[in-house]
Amino acid sequence: GAVVSQHPSWVICKSGTSVKIECRSLDFQATTMFWYRQFPKQSLMLMATSNEGSKATYEQGVEKDKFLINHASLTLSTLTVTSAHPEDSSFYICSARGTSGRGEQFFGPGTRLTVL
Amino acid sequence: GQNIDQPTEMTATEGAIVQINCTYQTSGFNGLFWYQQHAGEAPTFLSYNVLDGLEEKGRFSSFLSRSKGYSYLLLKELQMKDSASYLCAVRDKLTGGGNKLTFGTGTQLKVEL
Repeated sequence: GAVVSQHPSWVICKSGTSVKIECRSLDFQATTMFWYRQFPKQSLMLMATSNEGSKATYEQGVEKDKFLINHASLTLSTLTVTSAHPEDSSFYICSARGTSGRGEQFFGPGTRLTVL
Repeated sequence: GQNIDQPTEMTATEGAIVQINCTYQTSGFNGLFWYQQHAGEAPTFLSYNVLDGLEEKGRFSSFLSRSKGYSYLLLKELQMKDSASYLCAVRDKLTGGGNKLTFGTGTQLKVEL
């Protein structure tokens, strides 16, 4: 299957700071990437859909000014959590849609964010 | 996909067979996926169904009935490493174009000796 990487794998930051998470598709071009958030023992919740060269589409209840998404190229999307607070502590996972007919999504390894 | 239901937890014995059910309600069904997720890791793709019937892939099989809004994942010859959360995800075709994948809450499977 296709490989998706995420960086960093974990980050600890102080409340009020901003954190950038990178998501890369390593061996295929992804016109669409997705950002999910997962709290402990809960399922993945879609935050936004990121389309290369255009503005991201955010799910209801997700603040676009707080979670900035940039999809500048076919292999890179970034999520910036601005002015992070302890309640933003979560597991953030990106995924990219594959190029097969099934259109399955391949997931990055996730980023564990802890805000102190 | 909205209203995706699957059992919260299941326990099975090594070497046995286990079936994990998933029911869903959706208006623009465009495929159902099963993913495996180990604790602290990202989900990995297991199977895909878009037409009714059974898809077999080694020790894993997945079944779909679109009329019933029902799918199951069948795991045979269970191994200890199969202990993980199994996520049912439904893809919807959106009216404005594009697709959206919605995940169930996952079934935590524990394989015991």
